[in-house]
Amino acid sequence: GNSVTQMQGQVTLSEEEFLFINCTYSTTGYPTLFWYVQYPGEGPQLLLKVTTANNKGSSRGFEATYDKGTTSFHLQKASVQESDSAVYYCVLGASRALIFGTGTTVSVSP
Amino acid sequence: ETAVFQTPNYHVTQVGNEVSFNCKQTLGHDTMYWYKQDSKKLLKIMFSYNNKQLIVNETVPRRFSPQSSDKAHLNLRIKSVEPEDSAVYLCASSYWGGAGTGQLYFGEGSKLTVL
Repeated sequence: GNSVTQMQGQVTLSEEEFLFINCTYSTTGYPTLFWYVQYPGEGPQLLLKVTTANNKGSSRGFEATYDKGTTSFHLQKASVQESDSAVYYCVLGASRALIFGTGTTVSVSP
Repeated sequence: ETAVFQTPNYHVTQVGNEVSFNCKQTLGHDTMYWYKQDSKKLLKIMFSYNNKQLIVNETVPRRFSPQSSDKAHLNLRIKSVEPEDSAVYLCASSYWGGAGTGQLYFGEGSKLTVL
């Protein structure tokens, strides 16, 4: 079946540090993958999307890279700000619903 | 700007009571979803509807029942709540095929606490 795994439950950083969140997935075929972000008190929102055609995506200073060989999908940002504190979800596009990973809580201190 | 509206935002109730959550979207989408988010932030799909037709019905207890009057509304009724139903229930909407494009729009959630 479809599944998504995020090993890092919590990441704590200071401003301007580098953020890296790892994600692995399991599915048949070549899926479309997404990163969603959920700020406190809000619903999740789409951050960026990566397809098998381009292998990379970027938005708001975040970059994601998709590796079919290792079935991994990483999110990174070169220099985080306090406003990036949120829960980040790796998401697999299945045929009728999105499959969310377990989420990584990112806390950035000034 | 919020376009998926959920009510109530919070609800506290006792075991065995009935609870209903309402969801309305003003985006003109034809597909709506209910997700459950537990205390560890794990998000799981419960149901989805396309034009009032049930499309996805994951393995959830029978006390949960979705209700759709039209494509802009999707409600969730819990007939007799249990402690493990304590969670945030998130409504979302998209155009048909939204799961493939990834563009789902979520409401702010309805937090249920069962005492």
